[in-house]
Order: sequence, then C-alpha cells, then structure tokens
Amino acid sequence: GAGVSQSPRYKVAKRGQDVALRCDPISGHVSLFWYQQALGQGPEFLTYFQNEAQLDKSGLPSDRFFAERPEGSVSTLKIQRTQQEDSAVYLCASGRDRANSEAFFGQGTRLTVV
Amino acid sequence: AQSVTQPDIHITVSEGASLELRCNYSYGATPYLFWYVQSPGQGLQLLLKYFSGDTLVQGIKGFEAEFKRSQSSFNLRKPSVHWSDAAEYFCAVDNYGQNFVFGPGTRLSVLP
Repeated sequence: GAGVSQSPRYKVAKRGQDVALRCDPISGHVSLFWYQQALGQGPEFLTYFQNEAQLDKSGLPSDRFFAERPEGSVSTLKIQRTQQEDSAVYLCASGRDRANSEAFFGQGTRLTVV
Repeated sequence: AQSVTQPDIHITVSEGASLELRCNYSYGATPYLFWYVQSPGQGLQLLLKYFSGDTLVQGIKGFEAEFKRSQSSFNLRKPSVHWSDAAEYFCAVDNYGQNFVFGPGTRLSVLP
C-alpha cells in the first residue's frame, strides 16, 4: 500500500489477555519503529528495527512487551498478560533508511484493557 | 537525556489569525528537528523538518518553523490559520539517529 498500515485499528482486551498488533510498513522501508501514545501525551519510543534486526528495545516498558520483524517487512508488537496501564495508542512508523530520516506513521492501534 | 518541551498545552486562535507554537529542546549535538500534526483518530503527519542549512524551513499546509540555536527553540508558525488546522501538534528531535523524542504536544483550537 501507499502508507503504513496498522491492524487492528481498535482492540479491547480483558486484563491478563495477550494481544498482537500488526504493522505493515511502506514497501522497501528499512527502518521501523513502535511508539506508545498515552491519552493526552506525546508518543514515546518503544523499539526500533533496521530490516529484521532489532537494534534498540530500550523503550519497552516490561518483559511483557515483545516485538519482532522476522523478514524485515511486517512487524508485530505482542503484549502478554495485558494490564490497564497498557491502554494507549500504539503507533508504528517506517523510514527509508537511517533513523533520522523522515518517518511515516500509521494511524495507530488503540488498545483498551478492561 | 534529550528532551522536548512545548510550553503551551492548548492554544485557541480565531480563523485567519496568525499562529506560533513554541518548542524548546535539550540536545547534546546539532539537532535534527521535526514538527508533526495529528488529527483526531489519525496518525502523525510530518509538517516540516530541519537538518541543516537555512534556519527558516518551509513545510506543508503553509507552515514554517525557525531554528534558533541560541534559544534552543524550533517554533512553528503560520500567518493565517484555517479551521482545518485544528489538531494536535508535536515537536520532535532525532535522538542520535536511533529514534525520535517527542514533546507533549500542543492542542490547537480554531474559532470561526
């Protein structure tokens, strides 16, 4: 597609449930980022991939969060045993090459944990 | 640590009025700076970016921003606001080529 696509757009999970959020980056983009945006806040960095390599996962808030990009294209962010504090919009972005080039953002997945 | 502050949480302007959104950053080297806009339920759209060179950069939708190293600022401006500009605006700094550090955002409301 022409842009970054994220699915699902909305997800309601019961506390303790595992969820998987998908990101389809722009074709050919090397860099891929995940950000977490809490209500009324700016996005906060979670993790960064260059192709299939996860170069930085320093922003993942706990070991319940796991991200992968096995073939250097589609990425999945998995959250295990969801907690209420995980409720946020999860944004994916991709870039052509280095991390400081322009990043194109998807529309995000709004996760609500009840 | 790198940080971005946006002092104004919410700004209201009348349609046709000029606009300036403030952004200050803390960064240990020459910064790469960005402004993004987010409409409700949408992702972030890049308005403009500064990497080097001319400190006044032009962006889409009639926006511009000026980099002032002495003030560690990168304020966003628009001479005449349109009702469709109502949105959330985020300033961001590139974090040593690894990711972006975003400010908390400024919500812009436009009065008819």
